[in-house]
Amino acid sequence: SQQGEEDPQALSIQEGENATMNCSYKTSINNLQWYRQNSGRGLVHLILIRSNEREKHSGRLRVTLDTSKKSSSLLITASRAADTASYFCATVSTTSGTYKYIFGTGTRLKVLA
Amino acid sequence: NAGVMQNPRHLVRRRGQEARLRCSPMKGHSHVYWYRQLPEEGLKFMVYLQKENIIDESGMPKERFSAEFPKEGPSILRIQQVVRGDSAAYFCASSPPTGQGSYEQYFGPGTRLTVT
Repeated sequence: SQQGEEDPQALSIQEGENATMNCSYKTSINNLQWYRQNSGRGLVHLILIRSNEREKHSGRLRVTLDTSKKSSSLLITASRAADTASYFCATVSTTSGTYKYIFGTGTRLKVLA
Repeated sequence: NAGVMQNPRHLVRRRGQEARLRCSPMKGHSHVYWYRQLPEEGLKFMVYLQKENIIDESGMPKERFSAEFPKEGPSILRIQQVVRGDSAAYFCASSPPTGQGSYEQYFGPGTRLTVT
């Protein structure tokens, strides 16, 4: 199976609630990133966490990384209808000056107004 | 500074025709990645290129698919003799040269290929 498996595959919550998505991976990484994709659009970078970091915040986003378990989580607090989108994790490994990105299968988040 | 440009946004081809997808990376970016996405699925890596070099094409089918990133001009993903199974959204992403400490990928809006 592909590295970068997100769960849940789909999540439906009420506006104002928190949304948590998880990502598991298999190999060593340099960093892990989360991206958002609105329907029919390209991906937009949200946040990056390096392999030596455990937690990072950006606005209403909180990302954690546990390299011993090879897993990461994305928490969106106080969700809004506009947060409705698909969210993907991407692991980045570096070899000889090149980068390898592997995207997960995504979590489809629906925030109900 | 314009973002990553892809054209066409929508492309319809009959089975057996050729599809050419173009990607212009962000200014100053020397790395280009192509991904394919089926509806309701994640991105599948296809190929990673730098100017005039294919760095990693492990995700690209061995036949009918090719990619290039010439010294001048956009990156091209070419699909020859298209089949219905090639229908998908194809996304291009670019990133700065390695060593600049930025690992973020910038995505284009995608080309939606429909094979009839």
